[in-house]
Order: sequence, then structure tokens, then C-alpha cells
Amino acid sequence: EAGVVQSPRYKIIEKKQPVAFWCNPISGHNTLYWYLQNLGQGPELLIRYENEEAVDDSQLPKDRFSAERLKGVDSTLKIQPAELGDSAVYLCASSFRTQAGYNEQFFGPGTRLTVL
Amino acid sequence: AQTVTQSQPEMSVQEAETVTLSCTYDTSESDYYLFWYKQPPSRQMILVIRQEAYKQQNATENRFSVNFQKAAKSFSLKISDSQLGDAAMYFCAYKGGNSGGSNYKLTFGKGTLLTVNP
Repeated sequence: EAGVVQSPRYKIIEKKQPVAFWCNPISGHNTLYWYLQNLGQGPELLIRYENEEAVDDSQLPKDRFSAERLKGVDSTLKIQPAELGDSAVYLCASSFRTQAGYNEQFFGPGTRLTVL
Repeated sequence: AQTVTQSQPEMSVQEAETVTLSCTYDTSESDYYLFWYKQPPSRQMILVIRQEAYKQQNATENRFSVNFQKAAKSFSLKISDSQLGDAAMYFCAYKGGNSGGSNYKLTFGKGTLLTVNP
């Protein structure tokens, strides 16, 4: 079974440029998460999707960040414009929610963003 | 709000020896889960072991075991017979129980970088 796929793995851009990250979750997983991982820190949740609905985006900086999950499968996270402080690893994870609750989250390899 | 603290930024161990990574957490919930995740350099995070708070028995997965002290809110990871492939960043994480409003959210510590010396 394929895991969570993310692309690109690495991205280097200049500040004020836009950037987008793509995530393909594990087949059948209805819940998708985007995390931000700063250097030397644990991941922090940015946004969570249940199917195509963003059910928790409280930690997403909406002035420059946006996300979408069309058709409840793949997702894209965008930053426009990027700032120096956005340099970090962006992780995508997915899980399958059952009536009993939320199950194990599986993580992708992440996209390492460097803003110059 | 829940917090997770890993007080050891770095640890090292000799190959074949045993090492223990520490984690403490703070919560007012009675139903929750605790996890240890492994993140090798430039590779994806994988789940090493999980513990349900209502279970008194410590979880074990092959060479990995935990010491769960609920009253002390402590959750340490013991790696026995350390191997070179165990070298990675290890994160302790908390998740509320299925009856809670934050039952989907993982709260991570800052991680412990484990080096395994040959």
C-alpha cells in the first residue's frame, strides 16, 4: 500500500514569491492534515480536512496561507507571498475516521521550504 | 491546553546498549493516548509505539517499550539492543481520547535527537 505522497520534497524560493505544496493521502483516508514543523520543533497542526471540508483551520495564517482539498482526496497548501519566517518543513498526514473516533495518522515525507 | 515536554534535546547510545528517552505531559483529561514517533533524517515520521491511558500495562513493540506513569504524567521510551537504524529524532505526542473535542489533534514535544554509536 502506498503511503502519503508529497511533492515537491524540497523548494527554494525568494521572499514574496508564491509557493504551493501538494499531498496525496493514503487511499481511502477521509481525514487529511497539514502540519508545520520548524527547525528543532515538533509538528504543529495548520489545518484538518474531513473529506473536502476544512473542519479546523484555526491555526492557519489566513492572510497568506490557503489550502484546498478538491473532491476530498488530494490537497494543496499555498503560501502567497512567502516570508523568510516561512522556511520550515510542511508535513501532510492522513487517517481514516471511524464512528469510534480518529485512528492513527500516517505522515508523508514532508516538503522542506527555504525562503531566501 | 495539553503540553508535552521532552527535556533531552540530544541523547547518544552505543550500539547494542539500552537507552531511555524521557517525556512528560500535562492534561486535565482522563481519557487520552500517548505516542512515540520516529523521524529519520529527511524521511517520514513513523509511529513507534502507542499507549492508551486507561491501560495499566506498559506497551511493548519488539525492542521498544514504554514506562507509563499516569499519576506522574510521565511516558518514557526504552530502546533495547540499540541498532544503527534507530538513529533519528524521536517525538513524544499526546492525543485526547475519542470522547473529547480534541480527539483528532496530536500535540508534539520538541523531540530528542538520538545518535547511535558503532
